[in-house]
Amino acid sequence: ETGVTQTPRHLVMGMTNKKSLKCEQHLGHNAMYWYKQSAKKPLELMFVYSLEERVENNSVPSRFSPECPNSSHLFLHLHTLQPEDSALYLCASSQLAGESDTQYFGPGTRLTVL
Amino acid sequence: RKEVEQDPGPFNVPEGATVAFNCTYSNSASQSFFWYRQDCRKEPKLLMSVYSSGNEDGRFTAQLNRASQYISLLIRDSKLSDSATYLCVVNEEGAQNSGGYQKVTFGIGTKLQVIP
Repeated sequence: ETGVTQTPRHLVMGMTNKKSLKCEQHLGHNAMYWYKQSAKKPLELMFVYSLEERVENNSVPSRFSPECPNSSHLFLHLHTLQPEDSALYLCASSQLAGESDTQYFGPGTRLTVL
Repeated sequence: RKEVEQDPGPFNVPEGATVAFNCTYSNSASQSFFWYRQDCRKEPKLLMSVYSSGNEDGRFTAQLNRASQYISLLIRDSKLSDSATYLCVVNEEGAQNSGGYQKVTFGIGTKLQVIP
């Protein structure tokens, strides 16, 4: 299944590094999401883009910076992260104002911050 | 109170058993409800939507109780391949909020282990 792809699948970075996570959806959706999934915690919604505009920022620290250049692509730029930011970062997409309200997830990027 | 609450388990059941999970939600205005399945180290995938009248898909039955604000998932004749974490998902502001997107809240998930 290649509806929503994410790269890289695994990432190890130091606290001073800068890296970016990439998400691409091939489903013709207009809304894209970043979630964080930590052990023993529910998925935490980080950002939502609707028609390429950010419509939700769930009190996420500024060391996480999203970018949505078009409706098919979503990035999460990372800099000066902390070890507690280690988690699975999931991208999802859904239709906008459509009958289907299912979110489709990418496989995630497993991030480790040293 | 958590917005969406689930027993994290694990539920260990023998093959062939029937198992049920409940999930409670706090926002009485919620309109859409879903069960997602997440296998170990994989992404969540939609298992089924939950409709007011209840719905069934093979061995899986989902029910909604608006009065008590909970949804349930029943799995009959459990298979080894059913072992996974089952996530309860609730649209907390109705089918569409002012942003025009589907904002949902996830429960922590209930882990099911089906044993031979």
